[in-house]
Amino acid sequence: DGGITQSPKYLFRKEGQNVTLSCEQNLNHDAMYWYRQDPGQGLRLIYYSQIVNDFQKGDIAEGYSVSREKKESFPLTVTSAQKNPTAFYLCASTGTSGYDEQYFGPGTRLTVT
Amino acid sequence: AQKITQTQPGMFVQEKEAVTLDCTYDTSDQSYGLFWYKQPSSGEMIFLIYQGSYDEQNATEGRYSLNFQKARKSANLVISASQLGDSAMYFCAMRRVGGSARQLTFGSGTQLTVLP
Repeated sequence: DGGITQSPKYLFRKEGQNVTLSCEQNLNHDAMYWYRQDPGQGLRLIYYSQIVNDFQKGDIAEGYSVSREKKESFPLTVTSAQKNPTAFYLCASTGTSGYDEQYFGPGTRLTVT
Repeated sequence: AQKITQTQPGMFVQEKEAVTLDCTYDTSDQSYGLFWYKQPSSGEMIFLIYQGSYDEQNATEGRYSLNFQKARKSANLVISASQLGDSAMYFCAMRRVGGSARQLTFGSGTQLTVLP
């Protein structure tokens, strides 16, 4: 089955530690995205990548970093510089046909204490 | 810049009745696409329906239809014959059509509760 996987579903970290969230897709999509969602709010774009080895900052990139070494993978690192990292993180990808709707992974809920 | 506004934080509807979720948008782009996504309590985002800015017909997908009024910059989602499983958060989103950038701008969402 094609889709997007994110692991783990729940992640707990101590303040001051960097943490990396994984995102893997087998949809053969070129573009991938990372969003952050806070309780009761919409999604905000952190980073996106249109092709391998290239990525751009979204609206709230400060305190985050990404890499895109393979088409299938787009990991997100939440660094200690991110002031309020506790949130729900969603990864998505987009194909190049049809509506270009974004397909989402199941998300990772990160709690930093 | 693009902006999506959803003014209904929460909505209630009786099972089997229809409900309209409001969405207004603002953009300077001539060509754009409007999306609706459903987010159940589990968190995944489920694509529901799409409307292109140049589409003359309102989009429909099963029980979902999009009431697109371009002059008013509104793209309301209509769910007919509501079911208990429709209880979820609903997000309106948009993106520019054309060019390489395909990222979405989301509204703040509407929490729909279907009552038995």
